[in-house]
Amino acid sequence: AQSVTQLDSHVSVSEGTPVLLRCNYSSSYSPSLFWYVQHPNKGLQLLLKYTSAATLVKGINGFEAEFKKSETSFHLTKPSAHMSDAAEYFCVVSSLYSSASKIIFGSGTRLSIRP
Amino acid sequence: KAGVTQTPRYLIKTRGQQVTLSCSPISGHRSVSWYQQTPGQGLQFLFEYFSETQRNKGNFPGRFSGRQFSNSRSEMNVSTLELGDSALYLCASSVAGVVRDQETQYFGPGTRLLVL
Repeated sequence: AQSVTQLDSHVSVSEGTPVLLRCNYSSSYSPSLFWYVQHPNKGLQLLLKYTSAATLVKGINGFEAEFKKSETSFHLTKPSAHMSDAAEYFCVVSSLYSSASKIIFGSGTRLSIRP
Repeated sequence: KAGVTQTPRYLIKTRGQQVTLSCSPISGHRSVSWYQQTPGQGLQFLFEYFSETQRNKGNFPGRFSGRQFSNSRSEMNVSTLELGDSALYLCASSVAGVVRDQETQYFGPGTRLLVL
């Protein structure tokens, strides 16, 4: 079975400070991991994905995430937050070999940016 | 290139009715996936279609079904609607398979269904 846990339902940071959104996963097989962003009243957009290549993955808008197998984590970071980063972020685990649901979304982390 | 389109955008139905939602993928994309988003359950994967065949399926009852046409357009059907089916239904398309090939998915704006 596989699962994904986003450790914070809400994160608030000041503009210009670092962002850390935490994600832990569980998978019996080699998973693929994704981060998506959902702005209010807009569709989901892929930020980045890990598919067993480099463990440090760079995405759009300055975001990056590091796959740490020993810690079963895939935390999303950004060095300097911008007001436009305020949105809901979803960590996703996927595995072709899972007998259950092939794609599982985390519960989401709402990121707020303080001026 | 036009994005993923979903119709209708909003829908109100009553319990026991059935509903059909439509999704037109980005031109050239052969994979279409469907998701349900609710405040309580979050985002859940319904199923994925590729070349008119259901390739992967989430953990939803048989009331939820779908199909894909030769032009890659997809429809999702929910029969015997329940109050709990009220949700935002999202469709996403990708060039190849989203599960097998880990392709990047492009999401549509969704159809908001309200069941009364």
